[in-house]
Amino acid sequence: KNEVEQSPQNLTAQEGEFITINCSYSVGISALHWLQQHPGGGIVSLFMLSSGKKKHGRLIATINIQEKHSSLHITASHPRDSAVYICAVSHTDKLIFGTGTRLQVFP
Amino acid sequence: GAVVSQHPSRVICKSGTSVKIECRSLDFQATTMFWYRQFPKQSLMLMATSNEGSKATYEQGVEKDKFLINHASLTLSTLTVTSAHPEDSSFYICSADDSGGPGYSYNEQFFGPGTRLTVL
Repeated sequence: KNEVEQSPQNLTAQEGEFITINCSYSVGISALHWLQQHPGGGIVSLFMLSSGKKKHGRLIATINIQEKHSSLHITASHPRDSAVYICAVSHTDKLIFGTGTRLQVFP
Repeated sequence: GAVVSQHPSRVICKSGTSVKIECRSLDFQATTMFWYRQFPKQSLMLMATSNEGSKATYEQGVEKDKFLINHASLTLSTLTVTSAHPEDSSFYICSADDSGGPGYSYNEQFFGPGTRLTVL
């Protein structure tokens, strides 16, 4: 079993839909990261959080430390949101990555 | 946010040659940089942790003589793939930690745009 599990693996949505991507982990962490990787490969760090909730534009990330679970929400999704979203946890000074969620948003 | 650059963005080389990839933190000092490798449709795999002024720490299964890492300054780390073979073809990504060094709590990692290596 992977230490960081994401669901779903693949997700398609119509433009404007509300999207949720889930991440569960089984190790102790100091922080959790949500990353976005576009088809070209470059990775952008969206959020780093250790508790509660963060919001940036149409993106919202939440984390429940007790349940070892985090969610990434995208409101009013847009085709430019199409990318792979990766959950990663900071564990003993290293990052452990989930396998990613491939999101496609159609107009 | 902080910016990390990588050069080159893509490289094609012949089998047996060596390729150097640079990772630079442009607006902050990074005592620690990380090198990752990513195969198609797979997650990132940590290859090594690069600490300024000291030897890199390699993950199990990563050949240190094959993947030479040098972290000569607080803003530059290099990964050299020596005697490259087609199986070394991959997407290599670096990240830099702006934590400020030993004794500081973990801070955010900033990722470079990646380097796609193709070995013919």
